[in-house]
Amino acid sequence: GQNIDQPTEMTATEGAIVQINCTYQTSGFNGLFWYQQHAGEAPTFLSYNVLDGLEEKGRFSSFLSRSKGYSYLLLKELQMKDSASYLCAALSYNTDKLIFGTGTRLQVFP
Amino acid sequence: DSGVTQTPKHLITATGQRVTLRCSPRSGDLSVYWYQQSLDQGLQFLIQYYNGEERAKGNILERFSAQQFPDLHSELNLSSLELGDSALYFCASSVGGLAVNNEQFFGPGTRLTVL
Repeated sequence: GQNIDQPTEMTATEGAIVQINCTYQTSGFNGLFWYQQHAGEAPTFLSYNVLDGLEEKGRFSSFLSRSKGYSYLLLKELQMKDSASYLCAALSYNTDKLIFGTGTRLQVFP
Repeated sequence: DSGVTQTPKHLITATGQRVTLRCSPRSGDLSVYWYQQSLDQGLQFLIQYYNGEERAKGNILERFSAQQFPDLHSELNLSSLELGDSALYFCASSVGGLAVNNEQFFGPGTRLTVL
């Protein structure tokens, strides 16, 4: 079967660090995407992990453990504009089929 | 602005009707993807076309069909519409396959309301 799990909602304070976890079970796995989606807008690409380990991109980092079926997105120095939904998506092996989680709605408070 | 355009922005129609959603990919992108996003189910992959050919299929209902034309624009046809088809429909495009060219660019979406 195919299943992606991530928390529904999280809250954090401006300037803080937040970690959004994602676990996946897919029949055939190629890599793990993270997208940001502001309310009513289109998703925008944040990161893609294929190999185990941490990839850093400015204030955002993404981690993958293939053996554990686990990923997280780390957001540092949170800003109010980071309030959005964060979507975890697994890429099926040998296809371009993306399986999305339901998203984590992050609210950043001053 | 991602460079992907979708029309119309909003569509309101009645049950049993048929609608066509249109997508123009970014210049140079050969792959087009269609997604459905409803409140209770999140973003669901429907179908992908690459250079005019169907490449991958997701949870697309038989009442739905799509195609990609020689100029690479794509259309998603939804027929015998039901209340549950009300959702945001996104189109996305990428240069090639996602495993190689990871980034896909999403259009602004078409909000379909079925009454």
